[in-house]
Amino acid sequence: DVQMTQSPSSLSASVGDKVTITCQASRHISKALNWYQQKPGKSPKLLIYDASTLEAGVPSRFSGSGSGTDFALTINSLQPEDIATYYCQQYDNLPLPTFGGGTRVEIK
Amino acid sequence: QVTLKESGPALVKPTQTLTLTCTFSGFSLSTSGMCVSWIRQPPGKALEWLARIDWDEDEYYTTSLKTRLTISKDSSKNQVVLTMTNMDPGDTATYYCAREIAVSAKFDYWGQGILVAVSS
Repeated sequence: DVQMTQSPSSLSASVGDKVTITCQASRHISKALNWYQQKPGKSPKLLIYDASTLEAGVPSRFSGSGSGTDFALTINSLQPEDIATYYCQQYDNLPLPTFGGGTRVEIK
Repeated sequence: QVTLKESGPALVKPTQTLTLTCTFSGFSLSTSGMCVSWIRQPPGKALEWLARIDWDEDEYYTTSLKTRLTISKDSSKNQVVLTMTNMDPGDTATYYCAREIAVSAKFDYWGQGILVAVSS
């Protein structure tokens, strides 16, 4: 199985800050990576697919980058409504997708 | 408008079999490339993919739980059913169903989730 390691596990930042979350795959997965946002008490929401493509309706302050084994989710100008836990998910090893451990984002 | 909703018991006893139903609308599970997956999340923990059923009846299961899981569909009712045998307190989690697009494995629509507790 492909293991996905996210870091940090949690972070605290101020409104307006640029936030970067990383996700590392245990082996090369090309660009087979999706990102999700899960707000407290809610279902996950797809943010980015294929490593860098923004899902329709997602604010442009979210962006994804990377390929191979190292990926990043960036939030430019953190907003209060971005408080959530973020998960990466690989799909190179289809049909057995795996999720990262999650990164909790809080406001300072 | 795509919607999915999970239903089933909120509480099961250890060793019992859990049966969950995902009722969906806004898409057809007979359409090529459409799939429905089940994903669970123990309280305070990460997401774990469990199983998937495809438009062509193919079924896939996570390796660690393969012997305990069965997924099936009733396209005429727009329902997908997941059964998990021999439930254990460690299976306490919120169980989600989600629409999955086969090629990209992106879960683009999710149900609200159902919290299932395993306790005697």
